[in-house]
Amino acid sequence: SQTIHQWPATLVQPVGSPLSLECTVEGTSNPNLYWYRQAAGRGLQLLFYSVGIGQISSEVPQNLSASRPQDRQFILSSKKLLLSDSGFYLCAWSVRGFGMADTQYFGPGTRLTVL
Amino acid sequence: SQQGEEDPQALSIQEGENATMNCSYKTSINNLQWYRQNSGRGLVHLILIRSNEREKHSGRLRVTLDTSKKSSSLLITASRAADTASYFCATEDPPGTYKYIFGTGTRLKVLA
Repeated sequence: SQTIHQWPATLVQPVGSPLSLECTVEGTSNPNLYWYRQAAGRGLQLLFYSVGIGQISSEVPQNLSASRPQDRQFILSSKKLLLSDSGFYLCAWSVRGFGMADTQYFGPGTRLTVL
Repeated sequence: SQQGEEDPQALSIQEGENATMNCSYKTSINNLQWYRQNSGRGLVHLILIRSNEREKHSGRLRVTLDTSKKSSSLLITASRAADTASYFCATEDPPGTYKYIFGTGTRLKVLA
């Protein structure tokens, strides 16, 4: 069966520090991968998505970046965190195949607090 | 760009009652999905309805889709305290791009 891992679960970082959040998927090949951010009590904001290694689409111009060094690994980074980067970060994957639904499967999330 | 909007933003009901929440979207879709999020957790997929379907059932869930009105509704029948969560609709925008847009969510509280 497929599983998705995210770490760390919680993170407290000072303003201006770097960030690296990692997401890995097991049990599937060539997944579509996604990073979302959720502000407290709000909906999800799509940050990045990737349909293959080296293919990253950015949805929100900001100080965050994403990379996909391996097929089932998706990394969210920042060189210098801002207060506004605080939030709940969710990684998700999906697989599209003939006749298959486009269901997204979410990781447990990382709660980031920037002080 | 397209944005799903759920209505109401918050809903509080007694256990055993039905809960209805609505989602509106702005452009054409291939399908629409509903997800649930328990507090502090990731989202869980509930149900997907395709654009050529009008109604779909899964257990105590009933989803309808009206493409002429660009809206969908999620009905939870005989609600339980465990149904307390936020519910989101999601659509692919534009269709075929793998890019998904989630609505703002409805926070449901079921009182025991």
